[in-house]
Amino acid sequence: EAQVTQNPRYLITVTGKKLTVTCSQNMNHEYMSWYRQDPGLGLRQIYYSMNVEVTDKGDVPEGYKVSRKEKRNFPLILESPSPNQTSLYFCASSGWDRDNSPLHFGNGTRLTVT
Amino acid sequence: SQQGEEDPQALSIQEGENATMNCSYKTSINNLQWYRQNSGRGLVHLILIRSNEREKHSGRLRVTLDTSKKSSSLLITASRAADTASYFCATVRNTGFQKLVFGTGTRLLVSP
Repeated sequence: EAQVTQNPRYLITVTGKKLTVTCSQNMNHEYMSWYRQDPGLGLRQIYYSMNVEVTDKGDVPEGYKVSRKEKRNFPLILESPSPNQTSLYFCASSGWDRDNSPLHFGNGTRLTVT
Repeated sequence: SQQGEEDPQALSIQEGENATMNCSYKTSINNLQWYRQNSGRGLVHLILIRSNEREKHSGRLRVTLDTSKKSSSLLITASRAADTASYFCATVRNTGFQKLVFGTGTRLLVSP
């Protein structure tokens, strides 16, 4: 089944403790992206990647890192999480066809930083 | 900054009625997409309309696009309780591949 898999689904951590949220897709998609969703603010893009070893900042990249060493994986790294990073995070992927490339989303990771 | 703004923020209707949601955006676009999100879950793509198209249908969904007014509407006909979800429009700007920018969404509640 074609899917984007995020782990973990829920994560509670403390300020400053490094964490990684994993994302994997099995559709051979070139494009992958991370979003955060907050009430009243909709989805905002954190980072995206056009292909292996090609990443770029989205609209809210501060406090996050990503890497794209393999095509299928695009982990999101929080080196020193802070409470304002408490949010619902989504990974998404799509293919290269610019005009017909809907995003496929994972089921989300709800992160709480205390 | 948010590109798409959905209107209304929330909509409550009875089963069988039609639901219309609107989206306005600010810059020139390549295409506009509508997504659905069930509570706390990932978004699911519903329909994509290109900037040179004016109307598109998919099952009970009808999407219109007016590029002169920079607006789009999503119509769900004969709604069902299972249509209860949040609906988001997202725009792909003319510059920058897949820089999809989402609005804040419309929460639709369909009561049996």
